[in-house]
Amino acid sequence: AQKITQTQPGMFVQEKEAVTLDCTYDTSDQSYGLFWYKQPSSGEMIFLIYQGSYDEQNATEGRYSLNFQKARKSANLVISASQLGDSAMYFCAMRSTSGTYKYIFGTGTRLKVLA
Amino acid sequence: GAVVSQHPSRVICKSGTSVKIECRSLDFQATTMFWYRQFPKKSLMLMATSNEGSKATYEQGVEKDKFLINHASLTLSTLTVTSAHPEDSSFYICSASDVQGAKYEQYFGPGTRLTVT
Repeated sequence: AQKITQTQPGMFVQEKEAVTLDCTYDTSDQSYGLFWYKQPSSGEMIFLIYQGSYDEQNATEGRYSLNFQKARKSANLVISASQLGDSAMYFCAMRSTSGTYKYIFGTGTRLKVLA
Repeated sequence: GAVVSQHPSRVICKSGTSVKIECRSLDFQATTMFWYRQFPKKSLMLMATSNEGSKATYEQGVEKDKFLINHASLTLSTLTVTSAHPEDSSFYICSASDVQGAKYEQYFGPGTRLTVT
């Protein structure tokens, strides 16, 4: 069975510092996709970054980077130069490669950026 | 970019009534749409997957007679909560899948907050 694990229910980071949000996954598929989403208090799901299982380089999108360690089955999100607006809930998700390509979400990490 | 809208954004209804939530892909055709439910401070729970022109596939434990899903066109899916009860109060989020490209990315709507009194 496929599973996503986020072990940090809450994190604090000082403004302008970097923070790493952990995500580990379990799948027997060879081909899969990993996503990170940000959910502010408004509830909308904001796409941050994507990593394909066959991508050799770690994905980067502006201040976001994904530390992909395939052998360890981890896909940690690194946010550099944290801003107050980064305070939100962050979800790691994995796309199933079978059938409907549905997502499996982790339990989320609530990040609070301190001024 | 791909935009998904949901209507209404908030709805309050009385116990026993039905409420319909619309999910539209505004600038792309979505052959597959997904409906999620999210309880406060919890993760998204997939309720069902709907494909245009066919019956929805419900996740285990989700009552299909309670949560009616219709995906009549490539840009519209609806979720109807029938005979709503206070325990159905929740945040409902839809997503639409763009099957072009390798990511099979889901684009999420802004969500609908349902309160049943």
